[in-house]
Order: sequence, then structure tokens, then C-alpha cells
Amino acid sequence: AQSVTQLDSQVPVFEEAPVELRCNYSSSVSVYLFWYVQYPNQGLQLLLKYLSGSTLVKGINGFEAEFNKSQTSFHLRKPSVHISDTAEYFCAVSSNRDDKIIFGKGTRLHILP
Amino acid sequence: NAGVTQTPKFQVLKTGQSMTLQCAQDMNHEYMSWYRQDPGMGLRLIHYSVGAGITDQGEVPNGYNVSRSTTEDFPLRLLSAAPSQTSVYFCASSSQGASDEQFFGPGTRLTVL
Repeated sequence: AQSVTQLDSQVPVFEEAPVELRCNYSSSVSVYLFWYVQYPNQGLQLLLKYLSGSTLVKGINGFEAEFNKSQTSFHLRKPSVHISDTAEYFCAVSSNRDDKIIFGKGTRLHILP
Repeated sequence: NAGVTQTPKFQVLKTGQSMTLQCAQDMNHEYMSWYRQDPGMGLRLIHYSVGAGITDQGEVPNGYNVSRSTTEDFPLRLLSAAPSQTSVYFCASSSQGASDEQFFGPGTRLTVL
């Protein structure tokens, strides 16, 4: 069975500074990896996904993530954050062995002025 | 397209009452799922369906029932509500199952007294 660990429950960062949100996964089979964002009082929307191919994945709003199979990681990065990036970010994993998607516990990104 | 719709947006129940959370999508998606979101716990999969007439259990299925009689609708039933079921419930759908982008509804906030 898959599992996901988001190492930080909250990350404060100054506006225009870079940020990295960490995600590690556990699985015995090939995985599909996702990052979703949840703005206050809204549902989730997809930022980016890794299915196969290039390990560097670019998503919406200037975010990108790198799949590292040896370290079982899929960290999310943005070179310069804005106040509008204030949200909760969720890493998720699935595989071709079953139809379940497992989410991490989320990381709250706080942008400091 | 309305996307994924959920009703009601808010609900208060007394312990032991039953109710159905409604979820509908107009994108002709085969895959639908239900999650609950609790503070510090992320999203946990309750039940999912890969098509009409097919449902399966997720991580936390106890106390919940589902059925999928049509492609469009995937209701979630609480047979006898308990305070532990106080949560925000999200429905999601996708066209290609767990390896594809999930489209989320706006959520239902349920309180069980």
C-alpha cells in the first residue's frame, strides 16, 4: 500500500523568497504523484502531476516539482512566492495496482510581508 | 459545465440521525470518490467508484455507505451519525481514474452533535 509523508505542517516564508514544500512517499510499485492546492474555504485543485518521463514537472502558478526515485521524494518548489500563494498544499500518490489515491496531511504555506 | 456539485453545503445532525450527502458531476467521468478532511489529517479516502455499479472501500469506510447507479451521481450515506463523523466532506471525479487529475466539489461541512 502507498503512503505519503509531508514533512512540514506549516512553512512561513517571506514574500518574493523561494520556497520548498517536502513530500516523501512509500510504495512497492511504480507511482503517480500529484500536488494539489487548497485556498481558504475552497475545494482542491491540481498544481502538477508526475506520471512518467521527465523527472522535473512544471505546473500552474510558477510551481515545479522533481521526482526523485532513489530518495522517494517529490518536493514542490517555487522561486519567488506571492501573497496569493497563501494556501494549504497536499501531496498525493496513486499507482497502477489499485484505484486509490492517498493524500498527505498537508502543508500550510504562510507568506510573510 | 457545472463540474462537481455537492449538496448541502452545511448540515447539522444529532447523534444517531441518518442523512445522504449528494454529489453529481456533468463531465461524464467514470471515476468518483469521497474524502473527509479533518484538521491535521489531510484528506482520507472513504469510498470510491470506477464506474456505474462498481464501488470499493477506501481508508476510512466504516459508518458510510455508497452506491453508484448512474455515471453522474455518487451519494454518500451516513446510516447513524456519530460525533466522530464531524468533518468536511469532498467529492471528486476524474476521467481516467486514480492516475488522472481529480476535480473536486466545493465540500459539505457536517457537524454531528
